[in-house]
Amino acid sequence: DQQVKQNSPSLSVQEGRISILNCDYTNSMFDYFLWYKKYPAEGPTFLISISSIKDKNEDGRFTVFLNKSAKHLSLHIVPSQPGDSAVYFCAGGNAGNMLTFGGGTRLMVKP
Amino acid sequence: DTAVSQTPKYLVTQMGNDKSIKCEQNLGHDTMYWYKQDSKKFLKIMFSYNNKELIINETVPNRFSPKSPDKAHLNLHINSLELGDSAVYFCASRQAGGANTEAFFGQGTRLTVV
Repeated sequence: DQQVKQNSPSLSVQEGRISILNCDYTNSMFDYFLWYKKYPAEGPTFLISISSIKDKNEDGRFTVFLNKSAKHLSLHIVPSQPGDSAVYFCAGGNAGNMLTFGGGTRLMVKP
Repeated sequence: DTAVSQTPKYLVTQMGNDKSIKCEQNLGHDTMYWYKQDSKKFLKIMFSYNNKELIINETVPNRFSPKSPDKAHLNLHINSLELGDSAVYFCASRQAGGANTEAFFGQGTRLTVV
């Protein structure tokens, strides 16, 4: 039972354009959501988070949107840069201390 | 100065062997985790541990056991290794209890069972 799903395994975007990565979840008990970025041969690194009581959080080029009624969140990167090329994981968290991850989306930003 | 470090980075071993992966965090966090990234690249929780409670994902075989000598360490022991155990294993730590607190990950250990 996958509680967090990222249905697009890969995404290719031109440099300077917007990248939109999507994530769906089924567990209503998540208190917050996080996005992680992962380069090859490295561990995931935290990118941005959003509380379940908010619908938007912005940090520089990165914005996360949360639609609780649709159980959907998205990460927007604008403008996209070649260095953003990585695998992006979304995760849901709750007071039980566990983070449940989606399967990841590989973003490729072409120069 | 690495926040979460795990060793070794690569581990190749034969079926049936027993091996350990070490993890240390210098962040003062109270909760540590082990995740497995399988061949399909899914990151799946294996264990969550603080000084009060060990939470085990029920799908993890009992050949896997976490050992915590102190708050800063959570080592992963694997007995009787099988081919299907080949994966990348990530250690992570977090200060639990707060809202929106992210987990910090180690660089991963690629385990190959031959």
